[in-house]
Amino acid sequence: DIQMTQSPSSLSASVGDRVTITCRASQSIGTYLNWYQQKPGKAPKLLIYAASSLHSGVASRFSGSGSGADFTLTIYSVQPDDFATYYCQQSYSTFSTFGQGTKVEI
Amino acid sequence: QVQLVQSGAEVKKPGASMKVSCKASGFTFTGYYLHWVRQAPGQGLEWMGWINPNSGDTNYAQNFQGRITMTRDKSSTTVFMDLRGLKSDDTAVYYCAKERGAGVPMAFEIWGQGTMVTVSS
Repeated sequence: DIQMTQSPSSLSASVGDRVTITCRASQSIGTYLNWYQQKPGKAPKLLIYAASSLHSGVASRFSGSGSGADFTLTIYSVQPDDFATYYCQQSYSTFSTFGQGTKVEI
Repeated sequence: QVQLVQSGAEVKKPGASMKVSCKASGFTFTGYYLHWVRQAPGQGLEWMGWINPNSGDTNYAQNFQGRITMTRDKSSTTVFMDLRGLKSDDTAVYYCAKERGAGVPMAFEIWGQGTMVTVSS
């Protein structure tokens, strides 16, 4: 299976900060990379698909970039509603895998 | 609206089987792959596999092969996930999820509300 490694595992931020989360794949996956946001007790929500495409209804302060094995999720000017856990997911392989998650805290 | 509604919470004994349902509505049932993803308490997301509701074809994660079966009922637009030989570390919230489609594989745009399954003696 393709391993997905996110860093950091957690981070502290203040409202208005720019937050960057990285995700590294154990092999090249092109741009078959998606990002999700999850809040406690809730199902995940799709933010970014195909590495850099913003899902419908998602705020434009979320941005994804990267290709090959290295990817980044950036939140420009983090808002109170953005404090959550973020997961990357590769969809290159017939067996999908998720990163371990990054918790964004105040 | 587009939604996936899952069956309720379950408590199972070790060695038993579980079957979770996921009823789809608001979209063409046979037009999108449906997936199952689980999350153990305090842990991350684990992809389990997919089913093609049109053909019934399935693809299971290697961790579950041999003890998982996904099926569908077109008449009720429902998919089912059976997991056998339950162990305590199968305790998790189980989610079904719909692909976004449009040539973007395995981007899950709609999720069910989750079904908590507890495996305990």
